[in-house]
Amino acid sequence: GENVEQHPSTLSVQEGDSAVIKCTYSDSASNYFPWYKQELGKGPQLIIDIRSNVGEKKDQRIAVTLNKTAKHFSLHITETQPEDSAVYFCAASLNFNKFYFGSGTKLNVKP
Amino acid sequence: DVKVTQSSRYLVKRTGEKVFLECVQDMDHENMFWYRQDPGLGLRLIYFSYDVKMKEKGDIPEGYSVSREKKERFSLILESASTNQTSMYLCASSPTGVKNYGYTFGSGTRLTVV
Repeated sequence: GENVEQHPSTLSVQEGDSAVIKCTYSDSASNYFPWYKQELGKGPQLIIDIRSNVGEKKDQRIAVTLNKTAKHFSLHITETQPEDSAVYFCAASLNFNKFYFGSGTKLNVKP
Repeated sequence: DVKVTQSSRYLVKRTGEKVFLECVQDMDHENMFWYRQDPGLGLRLIYFSYDVKMKEKGDIPEGYSVSREKKERFSLILESASTNQTSMYLCASSPTGVKNYGYTFGSGTRLTVV
């Protein structure tokens, strides 16, 4: 099956700096790559996603890039704010069937 | 506001008990999933269902079973709870077809087996 690796496991940045989280996947057939944000005491929430026919997608301060050849994708958060502090998960899926998740990145944004 | 609702936020059960975790969604989604979340391991799929009365094993089904008698409800059953099943359990649902946009998660049930 699919294997998704995520780095780093923890990331600490100063407010206003950028944060980058990277994931690699093993199954070249995977074609959907969502990112989830999990705040304390809550379930993960979808924040951005990308499909395999697109190389980059932006939504305000958040962007995701996909390199199909290298089988890796990244989450970029610019101008970080304290409310961005959370655990972030990447995932990979084939045709929206089972999602395979990375191990998570705990982001701490220091005021 | 669409929702996936898990019946309990916190549960404490004794070793050997039969445990039921309930999940209900109000979005008319076809697909439902149960994951467990452990530090450093991310989310691991236990069971999933693409339709009523249908179930498939995920990556870690041992010690668990599921039931889906109605489209909106997906139950996870721990037949005989053990301490290594202490974890956060997350339910999720998703639609099928062209309207698919990925999972909607519940808030989770933190289960402690003593």
